[in-house]
Amino acid sequence: NAGVTQTPKFQVLKTGQSMTLQCAQDMNHNSMYWYRQDPGMGLRLIYYSASEGTTDKGEVPNGYNVSRLNKREFSLRLESAAPSQTSVYFCASRPGGMANEKLFFGSGTQLSVL
Amino acid sequence: SQQGEEDPQALSIQEGENATMNCSYKTSINNLQWYRQNSGRGLVHLILIRSNEREKHSGRLRVTLDTSKKSSSLLITASRAADTASYFCATDGRDSSYKLIFGSGTRLLVRP
Repeated sequence: NAGVTQTPKFQVLKTGQSMTLQCAQDMNHNSMYWYRQDPGMGLRLIYYSASEGTTDKGEVPNGYNVSRLNKREFSLRLESAAPSQTSVYFCASRPGGMANEKLFFGSGTQLSVL
Repeated sequence: SQQGEEDPQALSIQEGENATMNCSYKTSINNLQWYRQNSGRGLVHLILIRSNEREKHSGRLRVTLDTSKKSSSLLITASRAADTASYFCATDGRDSSYKLIFGSGTRLLVRP
């Protein structure tokens, strides 16, 4: 039972480099989410995908792009990394995106931008 | 800005004591959820309370919701060292149920 799988677990980038964080879920969920977690700030929503083929901005979308590649996969791309993007990134999913559903989280990607 | 704010930011108690955490939010909601995060791990869902419910129980957890005050509380009874974690509330706004917005969390330390 893999659930939500994120890769990589750790990454160090230099300012200006680009990279893509990968997320895949095997629960046939429609909705997927990307959050970042900074110390003392809780989780902030970056982007979400209510269903395959749709994506929408969350609270802090600047500097990020996303792709809902198919129903299983939702990737987050940093085109030109900045030190302010140093954070822990979590991917999550839920069945239909309805208000009474819980989120299932991956184990996170710890990203450092130097 | 974040929808939910937890209070206190940190809480330290002795094993066996009860732990109470509070969450306040800003806009009307459909539901409020509580999650737990162990250090270095992803979040795990604990309990959901709907906007038309006032109280809900699950094992040692008791959640209350006061929509007039836009606040919720999570009570953990007879705490154990294994309850040491961060606890977050999260809300679905009525404007968009697809977005689940989290508060800043309460760090709970249960001393053996």
